[in-house]
Amino acid sequence: GQQVMQIPQYQHVQEGEDFTTYCNSSTTLSNIQWYKQRPGGHPVFLIQLVKSGEVKKQKRLTFQFGEAKKNSSLHITATQTTDVGTYFCAGRASGTYKYIFGTGTRLKVLA
Amino acid sequence: DTEVTQTPKHLVMGMTNKKSLKCEQHMGHRAMYWYKQKAKKPPELMFVYSYEKLSINESVPSRFSPECPNSSLLNLHLHALQPEDSALYLCASSQEGFRGNQPQHFGDGTRLSIL
Repeated sequence: GQQVMQIPQYQHVQEGEDFTTYCNSSTTLSNIQWYKQRPGGHPVFLIQLVKSGEVKKQKRLTFQFGEAKKNSSLHITATQTTDVGTYFCAGRASGTYKYIFGTGTRLKVLA
Repeated sequence: DTEVTQTPKHLVMGMTNKKSLKCEQHMGHRAMYWYKQKAKKPPELMFVYSYEKLSINESVPSRFSPECPNSSLLNLHLHALQPEDSALYLCASSQEGFRGNQPQHFGDGTRLSIL
């Protein structure tokens, strides 16, 4: 079945450093969503990417969807302590209607 | 504040008990979801209701029984659970039916412990 892997599993950064998480699907995706889950919290929707090669920005966050629509990335510039949490991608395989969550990347920001 | 409300927030039950988890949303969303999340793992889809009809059942054991009484409410009935069922149970909703391309809005979850 469809698998969605994220690397790295964990990342510790100093405040002000950049951070990137990569999401890789075993199958071609129709679209991909990104969520952030704070410790003890619930996933919160960040953004959705639909088009091949799409790039979207939200303040310090930059999201990319690969040309082949099998991978995606989230880049945070100049991390802040408020960025702490686990970042999940969730991909929907072409021809299906359910989202499979990636394995997640846990970000810790050291002040 | 989340717009998807789940009750109870915490639940401890024995393996022979029967209990129910409740989820409510008043955003007019037409798809509602149950996910199970173990510690340090991603959410795993269990069930999807679309326009109040069960649309996806991810081969969940029959000791979990979903119910959608109306478009705003979603229940998960629990019976004869196993210790490995201890987890955070998340409810989510999205605007369109499950075929749509909409974000999912999650509740705070019910943290379930099976003794």
